[in-house]
Amino acid sequence: EVQLLESGGGLVQPGGSLRLSCAVSGFTFRNLGMSWVRQTPGKGLEWVSAISGSGDSSNYADSVKGRFTISRDNSKNTLYLQMNSLRAEDTAVYYCAKETPSWGSKFDYWGQGTLVTVSS
Amino acid sequence: EIVMTQFPATLSVSPGERATLSCRASQSVSSNLAWYQQKPGQAPRLLIYGASTGATRIPARFSGSGSGTEFTLTISSLQSEDFAVYYCQQYNNWPLTFGQGTKLEIK
Repeated sequence: EVQLLESGGGLVQPGGSLRLSCAVSGFTFRNLGMSWVRQTPGKGLEWVSAISGSGDSSNYADSVKGRFTISRDNSKNTLYLQMNSLRAEDTAVYYCAKETPSWGSKFDYWGQGTLVTVSS
Repeated sequence: EIVMTQFPATLSVSPGERATLSCRASQSVSSNLAWYQQKPGQAPRLLIYGASTGATRIPARFSGSGSGTEFTLTISSLQSEDFAVYYCQQYNNWPLTFGQGTKLEIK
């Protein structure tokens, strides 16, 4: 059974940092790309960042470029999102999502989400 | 950035009837379009990818069509569990982008 479990969310002050983790099981992690997608409470979905299976390629939304860093440890089956210089508008539920085995970044499994609140 | 526009924002349909949801891309995304369903307090669920291919264990009443810039998700006979928010997502270009969602509500 595929499982994705996020952790690391919480309350942080503007300008602060936070690292999210996503522990996965039930599939061959190193073979598949992964993404972080966020959702502001009551609003829609916003893709944040993606990383290839090997970890040697990544992409970012303009809204987080230069502030967030995606990474993965394939030996630990874990995906990360390092978030620096956090702003109020980064407040959201952050989901990790697994790409399907076929080409293209669409997501067949999602975690339950972890809430990040940026506020003083 | 490719902008995805969904319409209508809210669709009211009676159980047993057909629902048609639309998604438009600001430029061609070929067939690289996915649809998701999201219920309150839950993560999104993949319904359709490749514009028309049903994801695993998705009921046959869900179907997708379109290519280029115009896409449609059709639910042939609405069940009570289908009332939710639906999102389209293009994966033809970076950054990946989602539509703003269509809320399907009971009439």
